[in-house]
Amino acid sequence: KQEVTQIPAALSVPEGENLVLNCSFTDSAIYNLQWFRQDPGKGLTSLLLIQSSQREQTSGRLNASLDKSSGRSTLYIAASQPGDSATYLCAVLAKAAGNKLTFGGGTRVLVKP
Amino acid sequence: KAGVTQTPRYLIKTRGQQVTLSCSPISGHRSVSWYQQTPGQGLQFLFEYFSETQRNKGNFPGRFSGRQFSNSRSEMNVSTLELGDSALYLCASSLDQGIGYEQYFGPGTRLTVT
Repeated sequence: KQEVTQIPAALSVPEGENLVLNCSFTDSAIYNLQWFRQDPGKGLTSLLLIQSSQREQTSGRLNASLDKSSGRSTLYIAASQPGDSATYLCAVLAKAAGNKLTFGGGTRVLVKP
Repeated sequence: KAGVTQTPRYLIKTRGQQVTLSCSPISGHRSVSWYQQTPGQGLQFLFEYFSETQRNKGNFPGRFSGRQFSNSRSEMNVSTLELGDSALYLCASSLDQGIGYEQYFGPGTRLTVT
């Protein structure tokens, strides 16, 4: 059974600092891994999708890496801003999970001005 | 292109009642999945529909059901509501489920059961 873990559960950084968010998963037989952002009481906004054959994906200040063999992904957010405050979730799409997304518990990020 | 839409956005029901939630996927998307989000359990998969057929189902009781129409719009129904059904229900659509297809989520329906 695929399990996805995100540590830490919460993170507070001063504005301008780089953010590093971690995601680990137990079954490396995945199709892809997706990072999402969720603002309080809102839906999920897709940030980055990394296919299983890729090592990383970049979009603006965001960069996500994927190491399937070790079951890890890292989301980097450069030069954080107060507007980056949100909960960040990673999710994997794996055959063992019946082609459904399995989510981590999320990391709640607060960027202090 | 319009995103995933969900109606209603907020709902308050009483224990024992039933509720129907609606999801309209992005135009051209044929797969619709439903997830329940609670503070205690996080995001949990309910079911997935593709071309009007349930293709995948999570570990929820039979009180939770769904369907998909020929235009890919989907509904989920919860009968005999319990207090524990209070949650944010999220719908996601993709071109297909499986290799490489990104999932796009709607804003959710906040269900409160009293």
